[in-house]
Amino acid sequence: GESVGLHLPTLSVQEGDNSIINCAYSNSASDYFIWYKQESGKGPQFIIDIRSNMDKRQGQRVTVLLNKTVKHLSLQIAATQPGDSAVYFCAEANDYKLSFGAGTTVTVRA
Amino acid sequence: DAGVIQSPRHEVTEMGQEVTLRCKPISGHDYLFWYRQTMMRGLELLIYFNNNVPIDDSGMPEDRFSAKMPNASFSTLKIQPSEPRDSAVYFCASSLELRGQENNSPLHFGNGTRLTVT
Repeated sequence: GESVGLHLPTLSVQEGDNSIINCAYSNSASDYFIWYKQESGKGPQFIIDIRSNMDKRQGQRVTVLLNKTVKHLSLQIAATQPGDSAVYFCAEANDYKLSFGAGTTVTVRA
Repeated sequence: DAGVIQSPRHEVTEMGQEVTLRCKPISGHDYLFWYRQTMMRGLELLIYFNNNVPIDDSGMPEDRFSAKMPNASFSTLKIQPSEPRDSAVYFCASSLELRGQENNSPLHFGNGTRLTVT
C-alpha cells in the first residue's frame, strides 16, 4: 500500500548547527505536503507547506525541499535552537486526507 | 484567537465505561477533524465534518465510536463502551478550508485529550 514514512526515527544535533529531517512518500497522486512540529503534551503545529508545483520553499529558519522524482521531502532547520527539540512529522495530502509519517524526534544538544 | 480547545486534557476510566471527549473549533472554521495518535499507528483520521455535517467516518474504528457536531462551535467524540485498546491521545483539528491557502496551515490542532482505559 501507499504510505508516508520517515527515514530516521531520531536526530541529535548540536545547538547552532543545521538540521535536516527526511521523509519519503509513495503516493504519486499527493500534491500538497506539510511539515508539523509536535512538542510534548501539545498538538501538531504547522511549520511550512509546499505544493507539488514547487521544489523549494523557505520560511523563517526553515526550508522545505521536494523531489518528486524520488518522492522525497526534507525539512532543513538553520541554526538549530533548544526550542527546536520536538517530534517532526511530514504529511501528504491527497484531496482532503492528510496522511502523517511516523515522526522524527529531534534533540538539540547544548 | 484561542485556538482549538479540547476537554478534558486527561481522562482515566475503567473498561466498559462511556467516555466523551469535547472540542471547540476555531470560530469561523467550516471543517472539523478528529484524529487519534498512538505509538503504534501514529496519527489516524477518524472522522471529519463540514458545516456540522459528518462527511467521512471511514476511519472510525467500530460502532463503539460515535461523533457529533450539534453546532458550529462544538463537537463530541464518544466511546461506549470503552476498552483498554482505545487508550491514546485524541486530537481535534479545524480548518477554514480543506487544503489551505499558501502559507497557511490546512489544520489547526488542539492540545489533545490523553485517554487511558484500565
